[in-house]
Amino acid sequence: DAGVIQSPRHEVTEMGQEVTLRCKPISGHNSLFWYRQTMMRGLELLIYFNNNVPIDDSGMPEDRFSAKMPNASFSTLKIQPSEPRDSAVYFCASSFNVGGNTEAFFGQGTRLTVV
Amino acid sequence: AQSVTQLGSHVSVSEGALVLLRCNYSSSVPPYLFWYVQYPNQGLQLLLKYTTGATLVKGINGFEAEFKKSETSFHLTKPSAHMSDAAEYFCAVSDLTGTASKLTFGTGTRLQVTL
Repeated sequence: DAGVIQSPRHEVTEMGQEVTLRCKPISGHNSLFWYRQTMMRGLELLIYFNNNVPIDDSGMPEDRFSAKMPNASFSTLKIQPSEPRDSAVYFCASSFNVGGNTEAFFGQGTRLTVV
Repeated sequence: AQSVTQLGSHVSVSEGALVLLRCNYSSSVPPYLFWYVQYPNQGLQLLLKYTTGATLVKGINGFEAEFKKSETSFHLTKPSAHMSDAAEYFCAVSDLTGTASKLTFGTGTRLQVTL
């Protein structure tokens, strides 16, 4: 398996533009997670899905952020409009979620820079 | 909700010396515990996990961790550090909500290995 695939790896955009990050989870996994990593705040869970349904989006910072999972093999995280403080590395992870045994597999991340 | 605390944001050891990275957890139910490693510009990679059974868990790259319920700890150790172990290490606990669970991460410990 190729693992969790994220695209793009790097994104530089201007403030106010829409940004869409993409993720393809590992085939057969039923949970998908979006994390954000910054020096100041560390690793934060933004939202996670189980069987394509959002379970907990309490980590989504504000209405500018939205995430979708239209099917088991694809998810997007969208920021509209983007702001410089959104600059971070965004990770997608997936797992086969059985009870509490959540061994998550991470993608390589998307490094977002908003100028 | 479950949580983890990692003592020491930076740890420096000499090559060949013992590595000890500390993690304490808070959980209202028997926890599932994880250690992940992150190398520069990479995603997180699972080192080892504790679910049930043997409390001493062995992982990749010679790392191991011991689950101590009485101390609510899950410290990570390696008998002899190697230069290639320099990375950031994250402890995580599985937080079960209904039938789905998410990983809650600690703030990370950056390990430096010196000659």
